[in-house]
Amino acid sequence: DTGVSQNPRHKITKRGQNVTFRCDPISEHNRLYWYRQTLGQGPEFLTYFQNEAQLEKSRLLSDRFSAERPKGSFSTLEIQRTEQGDSAMYLCASSPLPAVEETQYFGPGTRLLVL
Amino acid sequence: GDSVTQMEGPVTLSEEAFLTINCTYTATGYPSLFWYVQYPGEGLQLLLKATKADDKGSNKGFEATYRKETTSFHLEKGSVQVSDSAVYFCALRNTNAGKSTFGDGTTLTVKP
Repeated sequence: DTGVSQNPRHKITKRGQNVTFRCDPISEHNRLYWYRQTLGQGPEFLTYFQNEAQLEKSRLLSDRFSAERPKGSFSTLEIQRTEQGDSAMYLCASSPLPAVEETQYFGPGTRLLVL
Repeated sequence: GDSVTQMEGPVTLSEEAFLTINCTYTATGYPSLFWYVQYPGEGLQLLLKATKADDKGSNKGFEATYRKETTSFHLEKGSVQVSDSAVYFCALRNTNAGKSTFGDGTTLTVKP
């Protein structure tokens, strides 16, 4: 069990460019979550998957954001036409079972800076 | 909707001092409550959790009790160490085991 991994760890891009982040959850974890964290705030929910099905999307997830988990394993989060307001830490988490008490295991995050 | 409110920081304590970080929540139903810790340069880690009213979560000397009557989940430690310096997040998860809702975090600095 190597934990949740995210790539890249850091990304600097120019406004208007597209970026894609990858998350590899803990093996056999069915649930995968994406959050966004800005400086001085707690993580804010973006979306989550049960296997390959995307079950919920936050209103924060504008039409420039898209997330996939095609085979129920790794996931990608793409931001199109980035804006400076997209600068944040993007966190991925996974959990083994769909239970309220189940722990979410977080990755180290991808820090995005949009110039 | 669900929400979590943490005491504002930063909090600065001397080593061996007593720590309390307040957390209150608003939620329908019967959420599970969590404290996560984020050490400098690292990701969020679960510190402790409680899944029903009156449960006490504990880990590494930290404790928190799920108080439904006061909708609170305050974090306590009797004697902090320099190594406890980190950002602490209170969070809840509600029905359908979907998203977690987090507070804004409290930065703790412990000085020798």
